[in-house]
Amino acid sequence: GNSVTQMEGPVTLSEEAFLTINCTYTATGYPSLFWYVQYPGEGLQLLLKATKADDKGSNKGFEATYRKETTSFHLEKGSVQVSDSAVYFCALSENSGAGSYQLTFGKGTKLSVIP
Amino acid sequence: EADIYQTPRYLVIGTGKKITLECSQTMGHDKMYWYQQDPGMELHLIHYSYGVNSTEKGDLSSESTVSRIRTEHFPLTLESARPSHTSQYLCASSEVRPKETQYFGPGTRLLVL
Repeated sequence: GNSVTQMEGPVTLSEEAFLTINCTYTATGYPSLFWYVQYPGEGLQLLLKATKADDKGSNKGFEATYRKETTSFHLEKGSVQVSDSAVYFCALSENSGAGSYQLTFGKGTKLSVIP
Repeated sequence: EADIYQTPRYLVIGTGKKITLECSQTMGHDKMYWYQQDPGMELHLIHYSYGVNSTEKGDLSSESTVSRIRTEHFPLTLESARPSHTSQYLCASSEVRPKETQYFGPGTRLLVL
């Protein structure tokens, strides 16, 4: 079956530090890959996505590249801000049987950025 | 910006009460979903729907039920709330096309005493 493994947190960084959150996946076909962000007290928001190998998704200074050879989709940001403090979820969408496409989520990584 | 709404945002209720969590979207999406999010942050799919009069159970067994009488509306009901139902409930919607992005509502945080 499909699965997503992401770096366990919590992660604490100082403002302006470099961020990497690792994400690897297992899928039988050619999934789309997503990063969602959840700010305190809110629902999930789509941060970025990539639909095929070598695609790079980017948004708000965050980037992730779909690497089929390493089955990875690591999230990076060059300089984090306090406002980036949130929980980040890696996810994939692939056929889960009988033509049904569901999202498979990682367990989430909590990021805290301190001034 | 996704237009998907959930009410109430917070609910504290006693054991044995019947509750309905509301979810509506104005994007015309055919697919809708309910997730339960535990305190450890992990998300579990509990129900989904492909369209009007279609409902399916998700990966996590749940005592809740759902209905889909209108495209834009996907309420979740607990007939008799218990403390074990305490959780955050997230509603989402997407187009029917394969691998399409899901858009999430703000969530309902439920506490059953």
